[in-house]
Amino acid sequence: DTGVSQDPRHKITKRGQNVTFRCDPISEHNRLYWYRQTLGQGPEFLTYFQNEAQLEKSRLLSDRFSAERPKGSFSTLEIQRTEQGDSAMYLCASSLQGQETQYFGPGTRLLVL
Amino acid sequence: GENVEQHPSTLSVQEGDSAVIKCTYSDSASNYFPWYKQELGKRPQLIIDIRSNVGEKKDQRIAVTLNKTAKHFSLHITETQPEDSAVYFCAAPKDGGATNKLIFGTGTLLAVQP
Repeated sequence: DTGVSQDPRHKITKRGQNVTFRCDPISEHNRLYWYRQTLGQGPEFLTYFQNEAQLEKSRLLSDRFSAERPKGSFSTLEIQRTEQGDSAMYLCASSLQGQETQYFGPGTRLLVL
Repeated sequence: GENVEQHPSTLSVQEGDSAVIKCTYSDSASNYFPWYKQELGKRPQLIIDIRSNVGEKKDQRIAVTLNKTAKHFSLHITETQPEDSAVYFCAAPKDGGATNKLIFGTGTLLAVQP
């Protein structure tokens, strides 16, 4: 499968715990995006990388959220001290610079109890 | 920044009928408008997109039209089939498209009745 992959697909955690998600983009894509999707809503932009540089963070991304893309390939999204309001689907997408099309991964569904 | 509104939120049609979903955007500098289809529990998949230098684009049973003056674009599905049932999202680039960050509409749940 040469598409965008995400791991894990599902995560259940208790409030206050830390969680980390991984995204592997399409191999030649140098842009990587994180979105959050709650039930009945469209994806909301969180942050994006061009190669290893994190170029923008949404105001939705509180200090408890951090994302990295250390080698310009895979990315991780960490949520510290999770809250019930963090429960959502976390989607990753990638694109090639100069091309608009974003390809989405299957998402990681997070449930915070 | 961009704001995208999408209507209707739900749409039920009989198999074989046409379906139309409409979106409006606020940033006149936006230049790229994709439509994604998301089946239950699956990833959003791009089904068609249009750039601001054209007014219409077709791909078999799917078409998208763009009215830059009115700042709205629409998805048209003809001869609907049960497998077209899904949630459809329109999107537009934040900040006029400079970095391709997308702002999504709230989605339309399309139900095609056999």
